Amino acid sequence: AQSVTQPDIHITVSEGASLELRCNYSYGATPYLFWYVQSPGQGLQLLLKYFSGDTLVQGIKGFEAEFKRSQSSFNLRKPSVHWSDAAEYFCAVGAWDMRFGAGTRLTVKP
Amino acid sequence: KAGVTQTPRYLIKTRGQQVTLSCSPISGHRSVSWYQQTPGQGLQFLFEYFSETQRNKGNFPGRFSGRQFSNSRSEMNVSTLELGDSALYLCASSLDSPDTQYFGPGTRLTVL
Repeated sequence: AQSVTQPDIHITVSEGASLELRCNYSYGATPYLFWYVQSPGQGLQLLLKYFSGDTLVQGIKGFEAEFKRSQSSFNLRKPSVHWSDAAEYFCAVGAWDMRFGAGTRLTVKP
Repeated sequence: KAGVTQTPRYLIKTRGQQVTLSCSPISGHRSVSWYQQTPGQGLQFLFEYFSETQRNKGNFPGRFSGRQFSNSRSEMNVSTLELGDSALYLCASSLDSPDTQYFGPGTRLTVL
């Protein structure tokens, strides 16, 4: 069965610092992987996705993620965090029936 | 292109009532999926419709049902509401699957 684990429930970083959010997945075939961001009371906005090809994918807002099949990971990174990046981040795997991780809440310190 | 729209945005119901939520997908998208988001269970898949047919279903009781119309708009119905049904219900559309799903803002349902 497919599943997603986000080990960090809450992360606090200083503005301008780098960020890495972890995601591990379990999937029986080639995974379709996604990162979404959700601001309070809002829907989910797609940051980036991986279907195949280059394992380093670029997304919106300066985010990138790297697919590592050997580690079953799809970690999200950003070199310099902005205060507006404070939100909840979800990693997801699958297609029509996506499985989501529990989410990582990001707090940005001024 | 307009995004996914959901109506209403907020609903308050009492236990035992039923409720219908509506979702209009992005123009041209034929797949519509529904998800329930709660603090305790997180985001959970409810069902997916494609070309007016329910193609896939999550692990929810039969009180949760849905349908899709010929214009791809979708409705979700919950009968005999329970307190535990209080949640944010999200709709997502895509051209087909597997493909990127685009989410609406959600409908916040509160059951009293």
